Amino acid sequence: AQSVAQPEDQVNVAEGNPLTVKCTYSVSGNPYLFWYVQYPNRGLQFLLKYITGDNLVKGSYGFEAEFNKSQTSFHLKKPSALVSDSALYFCAVRDWGANNLFFGTGTRLTVIP
Amino acid sequence: DTAVSQTPKYLVTQMGNDKSIKCEQNLGHDTMYWYKQDSKKFLKIMFSYNNKELIINETVPNRFSPKSPDKAHLNLHINSLELGDSAVYFCASSQGIAGSTDTQYFGPGTRLTVL
Repeated sequence: AQSVAQPEDQVNVAEGNPLTVKCTYSVSGNPYLFWYVQYPNRGLQFLLKYITGDNLVKGSYGFEAEFNKSQTSFHLKKPSALVSDSALYFCAVRDWGANNLFFGTGTRLTVIP
Repeated sequence: DTAVSQTPKYLVTQMGNDKSIKCEQNLGHDTMYWYKQDSKKFLKIMFSYNNKELIINETVPNRFSPKSPDKAHLNLHINSLELGDSAVYFCASSQGIAGSTDTQYFGPGTRLTVL
């Protein structure tokens, strides 16, 4: 069985400060991990994914995420937050061989000017 | 150019009606999906088609019936609409089959409100 947890419903950060959005997962095999962002009244936009290889994955808009197998985590990070980063962020996982992508409950990021 | 498009964007209807949502992708992808996002923003897969063939059918009422006339289109028909069907429905597509590592690309969503 696969599952993903985003322990924080809401994250607030000041503009210019680093941000982290947390994600932990549970799979039976090797995980495929994804981050998506949803702006108000918009569809989900792909940010980045981890399949294999380097644990640090770089994605769109300056975001990156670090895969940590021992902690079963895939936290999303950005060195300097922008007000325009304010949105809903979803972590998703697919277990090796599974057919579907399983999404977390989302974390609302608010960047304060 | 819009990669994954859905129509309509908003749909307001009465309980008991039948309605359809259309989805088209111009990415040349082989697999398409329907997701439901509830009022708490929880996103759950409903269906997946690969080359017009149904490959994922989660626990969804029989009132929901997907139809894929070709691999670029996946429509969702809903019979006898209920209040609990109110949600945002997202269409998505990916190059490979649902179990691959390919990224899924999402449409803008259709906000369905059942009165």
